[in-house]
Amino acid sequence: DSGVTQTPKHLITATGQRVTLRCSPRSGDLSVYWYQQSLDQGLQFLIQYYNGEERAKGNILERFSAQQFPDLHSELNLSSLELGDSALYFCASSVFREPLGNEQFFGPGTRLTVL
Amino acid sequence: DAKTTQPPSMDCAEGRAANLPCNHSTISGNEYVYWYRQIHSQGPQYIIHGLKNNETNEMASLIITEDRKSSTLILPHATLRDTAVYYCIVGYGQNFVFGPGTRLSVLP
Repeated sequence: DSGVTQTPKHLITATGQRVTLRCSPRSGDLSVYWYQQSLDQGLQFLIQYYNGEERAKGNILERFSAQQFPDLHSELNLSSLELGDSALYFCASSVFREPLGNEQFFGPGTRLTVL
Repeated sequence: DAKTTQPPSMDCAEGRAANLPCNHSTISGNEYVYWYRQIHSQGPQYIIHGLKNNETNEMASLIITEDRKSSTLILPHATLRDTAVYYCIVGYGQNFVFGPGTRLSVLP
């Protein structure tokens, strides 16, 4: 158990819909990362938040957005869903202190199926 | 693109040491080497990381060459539960770039 929690575990929805994935980081971790894992693309970094602020952006679509709240939990919002958005979505957290080199701890993931 | 190269698959006999190689010839001076593994579709599990020196923890050992262009993850006594995809990543601990990894099969 990494200490990172994600809800829901599974999500089935239809094309065009909007969903919200939730992540609670490990106690004491200020940084949250979102990753997408699909069969054809592997694990891809989407976005990072640090203490409520966006820190880095990866291959995140404009239809996707995220935020980190004052209690440090984070939500990933996916809208206008397409079949190709079906994937595993992982959240990770780290302390992100200087000097860099912190390990990330991953949650169990949310499996999104778009029908 | 990932900055690392790993063999796509390896086999290891149960109880023997598993040595997983990784090439990272373009690693920068301050970049760390991280190892993670993923069992089925579970979340990637942190194993170990290092900068220049060899590292050891309860799970594995990490051997980094002096020129830092390659490294080896060693699982000293592999068990069936170590069957997984192993990812070698170089970076600063931020937006990890995962490659396809090495699929390790531990055989009875």
